[in-house]
Amino acid sequence: EADIYQTPRYLVIGTGKKITLECSQTMGHDKMYWYQQDPGMELHLIHYSYGVNSTEKGDLSSESTVSRIRTEHFPLTLESARPSHTSQYLCASSEVYYGYTFGSGTRLTVV
Amino acid sequence: AQSVTQLGSHVSVSEGALVLLRCNYSSSVPPYLFWYVQYPNQGLQLLLKYTSAATLVKGINGFEAEFKKSETSFHLTKPSAHMSDAAEYFCAVSDRRQGNLIFGKGTKLSVKP
Repeated sequence: EADIYQTPRYLVIGTGKKITLECSQTMGHDKMYWYQQDPGMELHLIHYSYGVNSTEKGDLSSESTVSRIRTEHFPLTLESARPSHTSQYLCASSEVYYGYTFGSGTRLTVV
Repeated sequence: AQSVTQLGSHVSVSEGALVLLRCNYSSSVPPYLFWYVQYPNQGLQLLLKYTSAATLVKGINGFEAEFKKSETSFHLTKPSAHMSDAAEYFCAVSDRRQGNLIFGKGTKLSVKP
């Protein structure tokens, strides 16, 4: 079944650690997105990609980085996690005109 | 530039009552419009979308929305609220060239027994 997967679902990690949030989709979509969302709050676009080797920063400045080496994979990396990075991170992919398909999200807590 | 305004960050209704969540958009070109629902600790799930076919769009879980160009609105309705409808709802507009979505700030729907 075509879908989009995010792992881990929950992550508690210490300050200064390097972390990678995984996002994979099986739909063959060229466009992929990362959003940051605090509980009950609006979505903030932090990164997007229009295809392999294409990555752009979004509207909200973020210390994270992304890569797009394969169409199906769009991981997000934080080199040194801080408590201010505590949030939910949502990955999405899209086919033009059909809207976005979202993953279930990763809830990150940095202690 | 395109934008979306959701009127009311929090809407509370009684079970069985009409649900009305308001969304107004701004777009210089005919838009595509979407409603998404988000349950706690989950991603967003597509409820329905308008892509220039019928102006009244029916979605999942008994929701529907009507595209009104003259009012630049795309309000979401459901005739009878259920407890399971309690969630956050996001309206979004898409430009037809790139297909990127612009999201509203969301409306939290509470359903009272």
